[in-house]
Amino acid sequence: GQQVMQIPQYQHVQEGEDFTTYCNSSTTLSNIQWYKQRPGGHPVFLIQLVKSGEVKKQKRLTFQFGEAKKNSSLHITATQTTDVGTYFCASSTWAGTALIFGKGTTLSVSS
Amino acid sequence: DTEVTQTPKHLVMGMTNKKSLKCEQHMGHRAMYWYKQKAKKPPELMFVYSYEKLSINESVPSRFSPECPNSSLLNLHLHALQPEDSALYLCASNRGPLAYEQYFGPGTRLTVT
Repeated sequence: GQQVMQIPQYQHVQEGEDFTTYCNSSTTLSNIQWYKQRPGGHPVFLIQLVKSGEVKKQKRLTFQFGEAKKNSSLHITATQTTDVGTYFCASSTWAGTALIFGKGTTLSVSS
Repeated sequence: DTEVTQTPKHLVMGMTNKKSLKCEQHMGHRAMYWYKQKAKKPPELMFVYSYEKLSINESVPSRFSPECPNSSLLNLHLHALQPEDSALYLCASNRGPLAYEQYFGPGTRLTVT
C-alpha cells in the first residue's frame, strides 16, 4: 500500500540555524499536507500542495512538492524556539480512503 | 468558530468499564474522523464519518464503537479495553473528503488500567 517515508526522525538545531524535513514516496501522490504538533498538543494543519513542482511560503517556512509528485520538503529558515515540535507530512490516497502520515520529524531548538 | 472540542481531556478506565469520548465541531464540516496516537508516533486513522454515515473503518476492534448523532457531534464508545489501547484519541473534521485539510481537536488522553 501507499507509504510516505519521512526523514530525519529527529533534528536538533541552534536557534537561528535552518531546518529541513523530507518526505518521499515510491508512488505518485495526489497531494501532500503538512501538520505541526507541539509537545503535548494536537496536529495543526500548515499547508497543502497539489501541483507538480509547487512551492509555497509562509513567513520563514517554505514547502515544496517535487516535479514527479513523489517527494516534498519543509524548510524553516532561521529557526526560533517557537518552531519546536513534530512536523508530519501526510497524503490522502487517490481513492480518498485514507490519510497516510509520515512518521514525523521532531525538531528541538536550543537558544 | 474554527475549533474542534473534545471531552474529556483525560480518562482513566478499567478494563471492564464502559466510557464514551465526545467530539464537537460547528464549522459545518461534513466529514469527521477518529484517530489513535501513541507516543512518538503519527496519528492512525480509526474511523471516518461522511455526511453522518460511517464510510471507513480501518479494521478497528469492536471494543471501539463510533457514533455520529448529527453532523456536529461524534462519539467513540469504549468497552472492555486493553492496556495497549492507552493512547491519545484525536477527533478531526474537514469539508470532506480526505483530500482537504483536517482540523484536529485537542484529544483525550486515555489510560486503561
